Amino acid sequence: GAVVSQHPSRVICKSGTSVKIECRSLDFQATTMFWYRQFPKQSLMLMATSNEGSKATYEQGVEKDKFLINHASLTLSTLTVTSAHPEDSSFYICSASGTGGRLDSPLHFGNGTRLTVT
Amino acid sequence: RKEVEQDPGPFNVPEGATVAFNCTYSNSASQSFFWYRQDCRKEPKLLMSVYSSGNEDGRFTAQLNRASQYISLLIRDSKLSDSATYLCVVNPGRRALTFGSGTRLQVQP
Repeated sequence: GAVVSQHPSRVICKSGTSVKIECRSLDFQATTMFWYRQFPKQSLMLMATSNEGSKATYEQGVEKDKFLINHASLTLSTLTVTSAHPEDSSFYICSASGTGGRLDSPLHFGNGTRLTVT
Repeated sequence: RKEVEQDPGPFNVPEGATVAFNCTYSNSASQSFFWYRQDCRKEPKLLMSVYSSGNEDGRFTAQLNRASQYISLLIRDSKLSDSATYLCVVNPGRRALTFGSGTRLQVQP
C-alpha cells in the first residue's frame, strides 16, 4: 500500500532555533499533503494544506510565518518551525493524498515527529 | 461545539468482551467517515471506512446514521492487542480530515 515517510521521528532543540520536518510519499505522487499537530491527550488538529507548486493554505490561528511549508515536488513537503518555543513542543504528523484521490479515500500518514523545545 | 465529538473513555473491558464506541459530527455535508486507531505516541492508522449501509471487517462493525449524524464502532471478542485510542474521523467535503479527540480502550486480561 501507499507509504508516507516522515523524518525525523524525534527532535529536541533549543528555544529560538528552527527545525525542519520532511514528509515524503514513497510510492505515489502526492499532489496534496496535510500537516497536523497533536498535543497530549488531544485530537489531531489540521495546521495547513500543502499543494505541490503553490502556496500552502493555513488553518485559522496557525501563523504562516512561523510554520513554513514548502511542497516543491510531488513527493516531498517540508514543514519548518521557525524560532521554536517550548509551546511549539508537540507531535507533528503529515499525511498525503495521491493524484486523483477521491474525497472518500482515507489519507496515508507519516510516522510523526515528536518535537521538544527546551 | 466540536466538529466531531467522542466520549474520551477510558473503556476498561475484559478480554472477550464486546464494546461499542459512538461518535457524533456537526457538519451535515460531511461526505465520508472513517475509524482510525492510534497507539500511544504513534501515528493514526486506518481501521476501516464507514459506509451508509454499515460494514463489517472481522470483529469490527461500523455503522453510520446520517439523519442523526452519528457513527458507531463495535468490537467483538476484544483482544489485548485492541487496546488503543480509537479516532472517529470525518471528511467535511475536502480532502483534509477532521478528527475526534478519540476514545481510549483498555482491554484487560
